[in-house]
This record gives sequence, C-alpha cells and structure tokens, in this order.
Amino acid sequence: AQTVTQSQPEMSVQEAETVTLSCTYDTSESDYYLFWYKQPPSRQMILVIRQEAYKQQNATENRFSVNFQKAAKSFSLKISDSQLGDAAMYFCAYRSPTQGGSEKLVFGKGTKLTVNP
Amino acid sequence: DVKVTQSSRYLVKRTGEKVFLECVQDMDHENMFWYRQDPGLGLRLIYFSYDVKMKEKGDIPEGYSVSREKKERFSLILESASTNQTSMYLCASSSDRVPGNTIYFGEGSWLTVV
Repeated sequence: AQTVTQSQPEMSVQEAETVTLSCTYDTSESDYYLFWYKQPPSRQMILVIRQEAYKQQNATENRFSVNFQKAAKSFSLKISDSQLGDAAMYFCAYRSPTQGGSEKLVFGKGTKLTVNP
Repeated sequence: DVKVTQSSRYLVKRTGEKVFLECVQDMDHENMFWYRQDPGLGLRLIYFSYDVKMKEKGDIPEGYSVSREKKERFSLILESASTNQTSMYLCASSSDRVPGNTIYFGEGSWLTVV
C-alpha cells in the first residue's frame, strides 16, 4: 500500500520570505499523481498544485512550486513571497492512476504553516 | 466552479443515536468520498463510491455505512454513534472525465458525540 510522509508537523515563515514543506511517499507504481492541498482555518480543502509522475517538469502555480524527485520519491512544496493568507494546514497526497473507475487519495498527516508578520 | 455541499457544519449527537451526514455535489461527478480528519492522523478514507448504488470500503469503514441512491448525493451513516466517532468529516467528489482527476472537497462537518 502506498504511504505518504510529511516529516514536519509545524513550520513557520516570515511574511515575504520563502518556505519549503517536505513530503515523501512510498509506491511501487511508475505512474501516479501527487497533490498539495491547503486547509485554512475555515476547513475548506483547496487544491494548491498537482504533479503527474510521468512529467519531468516541476509544476508551478504562481507563488507555489514543487520539487519533484521521482527516484527519491520526494515531492516538496515551495511557497515564495509568503503571505499571511498562506497560513494553513498543508497536506501532501498521492493518487494511483484510475482503475476501473474507482480511485482514492492517500494523505500525509499534514504540516501546519504559520506566517509571521 | 465545482460545489460540494455538506448540509451540516456542526452537529452534537448522543451516544447510540443514528446520525446522517449528507453531501451533495453539483458537477455530475461519478466518484464521491467520505474522509475523517483527526489531529495528528491526517485524513483517512471511510468509504467511497464510483457510481450510483456502488460503494467500496476505505481504510476505516468500521462503525459506518453509506448510501448513494442518486449520483449527486452521498450519505454517511453512523448506525449507533459512539464518542470515538467525534471528528471532522469531509466529503469529496471527482470525475473521471477531468484530466488529473482532481478531488474537490466540501467544507466539512464537525460531529461531536456526547
């Protein structure tokens, strides 16, 4: 079974600075998807960024980017120019390719990010 | 935008009560999910469904059941609520037609069992 590990339960960053959240995963599959989700205090889970394993290029969404190292099974999230609104729980998630119409996400335990003004 | 709506944000129930958590999505998604979120444990999958009347057990199905009579609605049922089921419950949906199969979440239902 696939597992996802986020080794940093909590992180903090100064406003306008850069922070990197770590995520590693374990799988025997060669094709899969990886995600970072953000959960602010309002509790709505929001997709931040998505990476397809077959793509070598790292995904980027505005101030959010990933460092995807497939051989090392590492998928870290970099937040540049941190803003107060970035404060949230961040979850790393793994998904196998769809099989027979069913699918599920496997989540890490989350990293709580605090942004200091 | 995809909308996943959970009808109750906050509930307080007594031990032994039957509890229904309702979830509706408005984007004709085939797949729907119920997760439970607890501090330090992350999100754990309870049940999921990839079609009407179809359901599959997730990682922690014990003490729960589900119902999917219509494509847009996925209900989580606690037949006899217990205090260890106090938690945040998240509903989600996704479509096989969408590239990357992004999963969209509702706002969550916070259940307290006393």
